[in-house]
Parts: sequence; structure tokens; C-alpha cells
Amino acid sequence: EVQLVESGGGLVQPGGSLRLSCAASGFTFSSYDMHWVRQATGKGLEWVSAIGTAGDTYYPGSVKGRFTISRENAKNSLYLQMNSLRAGDTAVYYCARGPSGTGMDVWGQGTTVTVSS
Amino acid sequence: EIVMTQSPATLSVSPGERATLSCRASQSVSSNLAWYQQKPGQAPRLLIYGASTRATGIPARFSGSGSGTEFTLTISSLQSEDFAVYYCQQYNNWPLMYTFGQGTKLEIK
Repeated sequence: EVQLVESGGGLVQPGGSLRLSCAASGFTFSSYDMHWVRQATGKGLEWVSAIGTAGDTYYPGSVKGRFTISRENAKNSLYLQMNSLRAGDTAVYYCARGPSGTGMDVWGQGTTVTVSS
Repeated sequence: EIVMTQSPATLSVSPGERATLSCRASQSVSSNLAWYQQKPGQAPRLLIYGASTRATGIPARFSGSGSGTEFTLTISSLQSEDFAVYYCQQYNNWPLMYTFGQGTKLEIK
């Protein structure tokens, strides 16, 4: 079964850091682009970052310079290092598989990040 | 930055009827447009990619159309399980950037 399982969410103070993980199974992880998408409570979806099969990375302006996406193909794992966290980063964070040119076809269940003092 | 605008924000339709949801891009995204369905407490589910290709396992009552800047998701003969929030997403421009619309809530009339 194709599956993505996120972990690492929690409560962190403003200005703090957190590292999210996403464990992939049931498919050849190294062959797929991967993404992080977040959703604040009651709000819409916001794309946070992407990493290509060659390790190329992409970010929107809202997180560029603060968040770093990475992957470890040997461990079938995706990561998101989040630094200088703000209250506006509070959200459920999803990892998603994104075959090039086809949208995001597999999603995890999400992990919740709360930035608050 | 490409901005995706969905309309209406809320759509009230009776079961068995047809629903038409719209998505507009601020500049051309060619056919690089996906639609997602999200139910409360669940992750989004890919419905349509390439503007009109149904994802694996998606019922034929879901169809997508459009190209360039104007796109439509049509759900014919609404079933109870179709009432949810729908998002469009572009994945066109380079360097790679993805943008979601703000969503359309499809509710039971």
C-alpha cells in the first residue's frame, strides 16, 4: 500500500525551530518529486516546499530562507526543517507525492504545528 | 506570482443535480491545473490533473475542462459523499511554484 506518514509536529515558541519528517512506503520514493503543504485551521491549502528527484528545492516567498526541505532516499524519508517560526506558521502540515506534471496524488494524514508562547 | 481565484466561495446544490465550479488563473497555466477534494478532518484527494484527466479511482461523474486561464470542474448527479471543499491548483510556471485557489465549499441545498 502506498503510504505517507508525517511526524514531528508539536508546540514551539515564536522564533523557535522544528523538524518534520515524512516516512514513505509502498513506492519507489527516489523516483518522485515530493512536497510539503500546510493548512491553518479553517483556511485553505498553502504549498510550502518541493524537492525534485535530483534534490533541487523550491519554496514560496512566505517561507523562503526559513524552511529547508530535504530527502534521504536510502531511508525513504522526507524532511522539513523550520526555523524562525512565527504564529502564522501554525497549521497542519501534509507531505504529498507529486509526480511531475500530474499534481499531488498521495497525501499523508498531516502533523500539527502550533507556534505560540 | 500566479494567483488562482475560485468561484463561488460556497455553492448550494441538491443531491442528484449538477455542480459547476470555476477556477481562474491570473496568467496562463496552459493545462497544468489540478482539482482536489477535501472533507473535514481528512487530507485532500486528487481528482483531476492536466485540467481534464481523472486521477486513478475517481468516478466518471467528475470532469474537468479548460486551458489557459479559465477552468471548470463539473460534478454530474451529485452524491451525498461529494459534499466537500474543492481546491484548484496550478503547477505551471518555472521555477517550480505551486499555487492553490482559496477553495469552493459545496454544500447540500
